[in-house]
Amino acid sequence: GQNIDQPTEMTATEGAIVQINCTYQTSGFNGLFWYQQHAGEAPTFLSYNVLDGLEEKGRFSSFLSRSKGYSYLLLKELQMKDSASYLCAVRGLYNDYKLSFGAGTTVTVRA
Amino acid sequence: KAGVTQTPRYLIKTRGQQVTLSCSPISGHRSVSWYQQTPGQGLQFLFEYFSETQRNKGNFPGRFSGRQFSNSRSEMNVSTLELGDSALYLCASSLGGRANEQFFGPGTRLTVL
Repeated sequence: GQNIDQPTEMTATEGAIVQINCTYQTSGFNGLFWYQQHAGEAPTFLSYNVLDGLEEKGRFSSFLSRSKGYSYLLLKELQMKDSASYLCAVRGLYNDYKLSFGAGTTVTVRA
Repeated sequence: KAGVTQTPRYLIKTRGQQVTLSCSPISGHRSVSWYQQTPGQGLQFLFEYFSETQRNKGNFPGRFSGRQFSNSRSEMNVSTLELGDSALYLCASSLGGRANEQFFGPGTRLTVL
């Protein structure tokens, strides 16, 4: 099975940087995903990591360390529209297409 | 390209009734996954279908079932509804294979009274 932990809430100021950590324990690993979900809306895909290292995509970056069972999502130059829930999800090795989600981290951006 | 569509968007039922939710994936996508989202439990995987076959199943009771049609559209059914089944039910589609990205639909908000 999968056990995925991430902080419940984080608050940051507009223009700042926020790092959302995610730790996981899995019986097999075949990739880690980050999704963004605004209140009342569907989750939208942000990033995918399957190898160790940093993946950068504009203001968002995601890092993975498989040996530590650890990932983070880095949000730079925060904007008010970044206020949302950020979901970490892991895909298992023997259940390729099943995603196990963490409870989500609610990020609030203040002016 | 049209996104994932789900119908209905909102539904109110009473305990003991059954409900059927529908999901139309993005054209060309053959994999459809269903999730239940509640404030307390977050996103929980229900099941995944690929080419009309259930490939994966989450830890939900047998009251939850699904199917996929030859055009990749999928339905999920919940029988003998309980108050705890009140949730947002999300459908996600992907190409299948080793595709990385799942595209989520807007969800169906089910309220059980």
